[in-house]
Amino acid sequence: GEDVEQSLFLSVREGDSSVINCTYTDSSSTYLYWYKQEPGAGLQLLTYIFSNMDMKQDQRLTVLLNKKDKHLSLRIADTQTGDSAIYFCAESILVAGSQGNLIFGKGTKLSVKP
Amino acid sequence: EAQVTQNPRYLITVTGKKLTVTCSQNMNHEYMSWYRQDPGLGLRQIYYSMNVEVTDKGDVPEGYKVSRKEKRNFPLILESPSPNQTSLYFCASSQRAGRETQYFGPGTRLLVL
Repeated sequence: GEDVEQSLFLSVREGDSSVINCTYTDSSSTYLYWYKQEPGAGLQLLTYIFSNMDMKQDQRLTVLLNKKDKHLSLRIADTQTGDSAIYFCAESILVAGSQGNLIFGKGTKLSVKP
Repeated sequence: EAQVTQNPRYLITVTGKKLTVTCSQNMNHEYMSWYRQDPGLGLRQIYYSMNVEVTDKGDVPEGYKVSRKEKRNFPLILESPSPNQTSLYFCASSQRAGRETQYFGPGTRLLVL
């Protein structure tokens, strides 16, 4: 079945870049997402990438997609303490002929040290 | 303000006592979904609904029921809760079951004793 894998923990120093990696299995996924969950809060969509793109940049966030290897990464430049959160990678899988259901990874807990 | 709301936000109950967690969205979204989040397991989908009166099982539907009588509401029903249903529950919605962003509610933390 479909599966999304990501490392569970990442620790960086404030001001450094963070790179969170993810691998997925469903080659039919059209959209791949990064969600952020702050402590005690729900999930917030950070960014997404369409499968025909290799890269997407949005301010401090850069998403890289290697479709051949089914590898997705999220780079956060100039990481701040406010970036400390759990980051979920998710792939969109087919439902009734349309992309719809999301399969989430277990989440990567990012800790930013001052 | 566009949002997904869930009630209650926190609930402590006992084994076997039926409960309902409500979910409501004000964005006229067709697609709604319930997830549970457990440590080390990430988010797993319980049930989803493509539209009114159209629901289907996700990955972990056992012990849960849903209904979709109106477009805006998608309640999650635990007929006879058990301790293994202690979890953090999220409701989400999107315009359609397609290339659309899912918006998440704030979560409901449930403890079943």
